[in-house]
Amino acid sequence: SQTIHQWPATLVQPVGSPLSLECTVEGTSNPNLYWYRQAAGRGLQLLFYSVGIGQISSEVPQNLSASRPQDRQFILSSKKLLLSDSGFYLCAWRGENSNQPQHFGDGTRLSIL
Amino acid sequence: RKEVEQDPGPFNVPEGATVAFNCTYSNSASQSFFWYRQDCRKEPKLLMSVYSSGNEDGRFTAQLNRASQYISLLIRDSKLSDSATYLCAVNMDMRFGAGTRLTVKP
Repeated sequence: SQTIHQWPATLVQPVGSPLSLECTVEGTSNPNLYWYRQAAGRGLQLLFYSVGIGQISSEVPQNLSASRPQDRQFILSSKKLLLSDSGFYLCAWRGENSNQPQHFGDGTRLSIL
Repeated sequence: RKEVEQDPGPFNVPEGATVAFNCTYSNSASQSFFWYRQDCRKEPKLLMSVYSSGNEDGRFTAQLNRASQYISLLIRDSKLSDSATYLCAVNMDMRFGAGTRLTVKP
């Protein structure tokens, strides 16, 4: 069966520091991969999605970036974090068929001080 | 207009009540729809898919109205454990609604 791993679970970072969140999927090949952010008490904001290695689509302009160096690895990065980057970051995967649902990792709770 | 909209609630209902949520979407070309459940400080988990003809899973019933571009979730005989936020998802746009919060009280 397919599983998705996301780490770390929680992170506290100072403003201006870099960020790297990693997500890996097991048990499937060529998944669609997604990064979402959820602010406290709010909905899911789609940040990036990827349909293949090296293919990244950005949904919102911001100081975050994403990379997909391997088929089942998706990384969210920032060179300099802002206070507004605080939130719950969720990685998700979906099969190639667009009629399939997305499945989420456990999430990373990021606090910027 | 937002691509996917939900009534944020909260819906506060007694145990055993029937409660329904709606979710509207703007992209008429959307083909696949889902309901997720999200517990506090946890990731969303798939509750059920929404099929064109409507579908049922135990106490939960999902329906799709293409003409009016909305999906619905009906929960019968509410349990305390149903308390959560319910998110609708429209796969065409990979968008989620902001969620409807449900609290079931004894």
